[in-house]
Amino acid sequence: NAGVTQTPKFRVLKTGQSMTLLCAQDMNHEYMYWYRQDPGMGLRLIHYSVGEGTTAKGEVPDGYNVSRLKKQNFLLGLESAAPSQTSVYFCASTKRQNTEAFFGQGTRLTVV
Amino acid sequence: GEDVEQSLFLSVREGDSSVINCTYTDSSSTYLYWYKQEPGAGLQLLTYIFSNMDMKQDQRLTVLLNKKDKHLSLRIADTQTGDSAIYFCAENTWAYKLSFGAGTTVTVRA
Repeated sequence: NAGVTQTPKFRVLKTGQSMTLLCAQDMNHEYMYWYRQDPGMGLRLIHYSVGEGTTAKGEVPDGYNVSRLKKQNFLLGLESAAPSQTSVYFCASTKRQNTEAFFGQGTRLTVV
Repeated sequence: GEDVEQSLFLSVREGDSSVINCTYTDSSSTYLYWYKQEPGAGLQLLTYIFSNMDMKQDQRLTVLLNKKDKHLSLRIADTQTGDSAIYFCAENTWAYKLSFGAGTTVTVRA
């Protein structure tokens, strides 16, 4: 039982490049989330999903897109990376509302 | 995380108690959480408290909730070097969203 797995763990992008971060959970959780963590700012919600085929915007959605084609996977895409998107990205999942959130190990992304 | 505020740093001597404070804004939050993040890792749930409770104790951890002042605290008794980490306070602000504070970096010195 792996929990929440994120790939890749590290990535360096050039400005304007695109990439997709993959989050996979094996706990049959309904809800999945993408957060970014920046120094002194805690975690800010980018996008979230309340079930397969659904997505919604969080606090800081600009410059990101997501998809939840399968219940166990939640993909975060950057179409045209910018230096302001340099951050650590965390995926999380919850079984339902108001239950424990399980986090992945994070993806450290640097955009140069 | 502007809905949730916490001090950024705490230094404590090994064996002493640590107290981490947090204030939140959403009076309708039903659950409040403390998460721990060790270096290079994701966040792990430490404990939580339901909003109709004043206190919750779990081994070395004590959570106090003052709902009137929207103040939450986490006390760690007999702090050990393994407690060095970043601690995040979080509240569920609406339906599915957890709102996190900026995190308190706890350093345990010998």
